[in-house]
Parts: sequence; C-alpha cells; structure tokens
Amino acid sequence: GENVEQHPSTLSVQEGDSAVIKCTYSDSASNYFPWYKQELGKGPQLIIDIRSNVGEKKDQRIAVTLNKTAKHFSLHITETQPEDSAVYFCAASKSSAGNKLTFGGGTRVLVKP
Amino acid sequence: DAGITQSPRHKVTETGTPVTLRCHQTENHRYMYWYRQDPGHGLRLIHYSYGVKDTDKGEVSDGYSVSRSKTEDFLLTLESATSSQTSVYFCAIMASGSTDTQYFGPGTRLTVL
Repeated sequence: GENVEQHPSTLSVQEGDSAVIKCTYSDSASNYFPWYKQELGKGPQLIIDIRSNVGEKKDQRIAVTLNKTAKHFSLHITETQPEDSAVYFCAASKSSAGNKLTFGGGTRVLVKP
Repeated sequence: DAGITQSPRHKVTETGTPVTLRCHQTENHRYMYWYRQDPGHGLRLIHYSYGVKDTDKGEVSDGYSVSRSKTEDFLLTLESATSSQTSVYFCAIMASGSTDTQYFGPGTRLTVL
C-alpha cells in the first residue's frame, strides 16, 4: 500500500519568515495530494490540495508543489503569522476505490512573534 | 465542518467493554470514513462506507466494525475495547460532486482503561 513520509516533524520560524514542509509518497498511482491544518482539539481542516495533472497551486500565502517523477510534494507558507501555528498533515490517495487517504506523520509548526 | 457531528465527544471506558461511536452528517454525502489519530502516526483509515450497507476495510480495521443503515449515520463499534484503542477518532465525508475532497468532523477522544 501507499506510504507517506513527512518532514520535519517540528518547525519553528520567526513571524514573517517562510515555512516549508516536505512529503514523499511511494505509490506512483496516487493522484491526489491534500494538505490539512489541525489546531488543538479540532479536526483537520483542508487548506489546499493538488492533483497529479498540476505542478503547482497557490492560494494567497500558501502554495503546494508536486514533483511526480521524484514522488514528492511540498507545502510553502510565506509571511508566516502566529495564527499559522498548528500541526500540518500531508496525505495522498488515488481517486478511485473510495479515495482512501494515507497521511504523513504531521509537522508541528510554531511561529514565534 | 461540512455538517458533520460526532458523538460522544469524549468517552472513558474499561477494557473489554463494547463501545459505539456515531458520526452524523446532514448533507447526504455518499462516502463516509473513520480514521484514528495517534501521536507520530498521523491519521489512519479504519473503515469507510460508499453507501447504505456498503462498507470496506481500511489500513487498521482489526478490532473494529462499522454499520451504515442510513445515509446520514455511520457507526464505529469496538466490540471489546482494548487499551491500544485509546485514540482520537475522526469521521470524514467525501464532498458530493467531488472525486476526492474529504472534510473531517470534530473528533471523539476515547480512553480505554
């Protein structure tokens, strides 16, 4: 089955700096890659996603890049703010057979004011 | 939160007792999922459903069963709870009209003593 590795497990950045989280996946048939943000005591919230026919996608301060050849994808947060502090998860799935998501282990991001 | 509620939100039980967690959705989504979240493991799929009475196993299904007798309710049952099933359980739905986007409920924290 699919295996998703996520790095780093913790990330501390100064407010205003950029944060980058990287994930690799093992199944070359995976074609959907969402990113979730989870705040303490809450469920994961979808913040951005990318499909395998696209190499990059942006939404304001958040961007995701995908390299299908290398089987890795990354989340980029620019101009970080204290409210970006949370745990972020990457995931991968195939858009068939129920779209079962396989998650990375998570990255705890701390933005220091 | 895509109209997803989970009950109970917190539960403490003893080893060997049966436990049922409920996921309720109000928007007639066809696909529903149960995940568990443990430190360092991200979220892992337990079971999912692709329609009334249609269910399938996920990555960590041992010790769990599910039922879906109505579109809006997806139940997760631990027949005989064990301490290894102490976890936070999240329900998710796949948005209707989408082939992959999943939205999560608020979670149930289960402690098995």
